[in-house]
Amino acid sequence: AQTVTQSQPEMSVQEAETVTLSCTYDTSESNYYLFWYKQPPSRQMILVIRQEAYKQQNATENRFSVNFQKAAKSFSLKISDSQLGDTAMYFCAFMKSGGAGNMLTFGGGTRLMVKP
Amino acid sequence: DAGVTQSPTHLIKTRGQQVTLRCSPKSGHDTVSWYQQALGQGPQFIFQYYEEEERQRGNFPDRFSGHQFPNYSSELNVNALLLGDSALYLCASSLRVGTGFGNTIYFGEGSWLTVV
Repeated sequence: AQTVTQSQPEMSVQEAETVTLSCTYDTSESNYYLFWYKQPPSRQMILVIRQEAYKQQNATENRFSVNFQKAAKSFSLKISDSQLGDTAMYFCAFMKSGGAGNMLTFGGGTRLMVKP
Repeated sequence: DAGVTQSPTHLIKTRGQQVTLRCSPKSGHDTVSWYQQALGQGPQFIFQYYEEEERQRGNFPDRFSGHQFPNYSSELNVNALLLGDSALYLCASSLRVGTGFGNTIYFGEGSWLTVV
């Protein structure tokens, strides 16, 4: 079984600054996918960024980037130029490659507050 | 193009009662998964339906059951409700074919269930 741990229950950052959210995971799988999801007060989970475990290059999506350290089983999210709209819960999630389908294992979440 | 739609948005039930939640997947998607998200926690996988059959199941008791219809929509049923069943229930849809990273998983806004 896989586990995902987010050790920062809450974080805050000033608008326009940079913040990093931490995530570690435990798995015996060699190939898998990792995701960061954002959940604003509207409750809908929105995919922020994703990473394939076999790719060494860190994924980047506009202001969002990850630091993927496979050996350390670490997958942190960096948000640059933080905006008020980034205020939300952020969840790190794991998915096994192939097999039975698209089942996600989530961490407990980090509440991010962007302050003006 | 409609995304994932869930109903009802909110509902209140009494302990011991039964509840049915409904989900229509994103157009073109054939796989529906259900997640339970307790307040302040990350979502937990309940089960997944494809071709009208339950394909995967998380660590949830038999009180949780589901169904998928020929049009790919799905229902989640919970019998003998407990106070601990109070949570946000999220529906997620995806494509079964080519499962894995290539499929983006879309979430609905969830159904808030309160058991009193």
